[in-house]
Amino acid sequence: DAGVTQSPTHLIKTRGQQVTLRCSPKSGHDTVSWYQQALGQGPQFIFQYYEEEERQRGNFPDRFSGHQFPNYSSELNVNALLLGDSALYLCASSGNGQTDTDTQYFGPGTRLTVL
Amino acid sequence: KNQVEQSPQSLIILEGKNCTLQCNYTVSPFSNLRWYKQDTGRGPVSLTIMTFSENTKSNGRYTATLDADTKQSSLHITASQLSDSASYICVVSAHPGGFKTIFGAGTRLFVKA
Repeated sequence: DAGVTQSPTHLIKTRGQQVTLRCSPKSGHDTVSWYQQALGQGPQFIFQYYEEEERQRGNFPDRFSGHQFPNYSSELNVNALLLGDSALYLCASSGNGQTDTDTQYFGPGTRLTVL
Repeated sequence: KNQVEQSPQSLIILEGKNCTLQCNYTVSPFSNLRWYKQDTGRGPVSLTIMTFSENTKSNGRYTATLDADTKQSSLHITASQLSDSASYICVVSAHPGGFKTIFGAGTRLFVKA
């Protein structure tokens, strides 16, 4: 039973570029959430996708966008990269989030460095 | 404002000793509280999850407590091991899943031989 997978594991970009990160949820999960974790900080919620639609969004600018595919995998896109976008980007999957005990399973993350 | 505050920020203990990490929150309405362990550069791994009606939950040497009245939680680690060295993150949700899910900054635990 595959857990949550993310690709790539590491990425280096320069300011102004665009980046796409990918996530495959745990088998049986249909909801994908994305988080940004700066060094030494807790993860910050970016947005959540369910049934191929963005269901909820955190306090992130429109430069951050996403997509969910029919197989429940998801992409996170960041345009016009800034130095401050350097962080570990985590993907978490869960069921449709309707139960109090629903647990999110996290992937290993993608380490993005913006130079 | 929904917040989750953890203390201490970092902690150093000797192998075999016990320790307790604290989490205070103001997230409302409360849905559930989770503790995660995160190794450096890795994704968080769930340790425990508690709803409003639960005041304690154990997972091996990890025991979490919850006082929903005072909005406080603790994570107690018994007989620490070197592999316990990690960040421990308290996560409080006002709704299951990603809705209004607030992460604490974590407590960095170092276990020394």
